[in-house]
Amino acid sequence: IQMTQSPSSVSASVGDRVTITCRASQDISSWLAWYQQKPGKAPKLLIYAASSLQSGVPSRFSGSGSGTDFTLTISTLQPEDFATYFCQQTKSFPRTFGQGTKVEIK
Amino acid sequence: QVQLQESGPGLVKPSQTLSLTCAVSGDSISSGVYYWSWIRQHPGKGLEWIGYIYYSGSTYYNPSLKSRLIISADTSKNLFSLKLSSVSAADTAVYYCAREGAVTTAPDAFDIWGQGTVVTVSS
Repeated sequence: IQMTQSPSSVSASVGDRVTITCRASQDISSWLAWYQQKPGKAPKLLIYAASSLQSGVPSRFSGSGSGTDFTLTISTLQPEDFATYFCQQTKSFPRTFGQGTKVEIK
Repeated sequence: QVQLQESGPGLVKPSQTLSLTCAVSGDSISSGVYYWSWIRQHPGKGLEWIGYIYYSGSTYYNPSLKSRLIISADTSKNLFSLKLSSVSAADTAVYYCAREGAVTTAPDAFDIWGQGTVVTVSS
């Protein structure tokens, strides 16, 4: 299953609302996760099952969608949110990831 | 808390075998709750799932690596390992171990990751 994210990068300011899109090449129902990765660090799980917030993750992060189209939204961008975000399908093996979306400071 | 720690050589010669180990603390790889997985990230690139081992010993490998890959576990030491044979420069990457929920009571995603280990394939 191919996962395609858009945009590949986005420039935003603190306080902005940011939306990242992920599209699967086939129906994956709600079998989707989102991760945040900062330079030199391992990815961190934000969202699983398309919309379930991982324990300890701030509520400004939210996920939506089902089938083939999904969205990660950061409601009010904070300085610590500048990072790269990946989606990943958990519908079937082999697991596959999107190519990433880099959120940069405007 | 649960921690995963990768270890192994940072430099491997072409055509040789890359061997890495992931030591797990705070959880048991025999619990049956999680798949214990390997994931890699090529320099400046995205994430590639390598494969997993389950408590039963069953494994699933990425078809792109299957012919060169073995993932095994040592339950007495609570660790699992990766062996990738016939490596080339294309195998240069950061290698992560991670756990993924395998039952409905655990998130179906990679919720805990190791810090990653850099492996360079070069003569």
